[in-house]
Amino acid sequence: GAGVSQSPRYKVAKRGQDVALRCDPISGHVSLFWYQQALGQGPEFLTYFQNEAQLDKSGLPSDRFFAERPEGSVSTLKIQRTQQEDSAVYLCASSSKRTGVHEQYFGPGTRLTVT
Amino acid sequence: GESVGLHLPTLSVQEGDNSIINCAYSNSASDYFIWYKQESGKGPQFIIDIRSNMDKRQGQRVTVLLNKTVKHLSLQIAATQPGDSAVYFCAEKRIDSWGKLQFGAGTQVVVTP
Repeated sequence: GAGVSQSPRYKVAKRGQDVALRCDPISGHVSLFWYQQALGQGPEFLTYFQNEAQLDKSGLPSDRFFAERPEGSVSTLKIQRTQQEDSAVYLCASSSKRTGVHEQYFGPGTRLTVT
Repeated sequence: GESVGLHLPTLSVQEGDNSIINCAYSNSASDYFIWYKQESGKGPQFIIDIRSNMDKRQGQRVTVLLNKTVKHLSLQIAATQPGDSAVYFCAEKRIDSWGKLQFGAGTQVVVTP
């Protein structure tokens, strides 16, 4: 079956540009998460949605980061005025009520490089 | 694809042997502990989880052990295969969180023939 998909897979942005990263979760999954993974490290939580409601955005590093999920399915992570320290892999994950919110299924990630 | 394990602790295992990957956690208020496998260029893949009120759980070729006294978690892989080569992360979910996972540093497992 179809897993979590993310696009684009690779994004190169010049410092100061805005970027938008897309996540298509597994169909029917109500919970959606964004994580940031720096090279050689484990993923770091950014934000969490339950359907269209953003219930936790405690991990967003600054107000340049914004996420939305307006219809409770596809989500977009937007980064404004990108900086070099934003370079990382951005991972999206989804989970269902049946298996529990801790059993998260990850997409392949978007590798963002800010030059 | 680019490796995510450039500076990670590495466990080298001969094909067919058992692997043991260890993880120390710090949060006593976690209700679930989870192991993920991440291959180069891919997202983490769920392997197995264990609730905090258990001390052992078995899956297909994998066993997770939880020692709450010393805050230690381990993943045992039986009869390690070349396809098991990857970075392995332990993660924990706090009991009071919506689902936010806190990941450990990761261990690179290299299976040699």
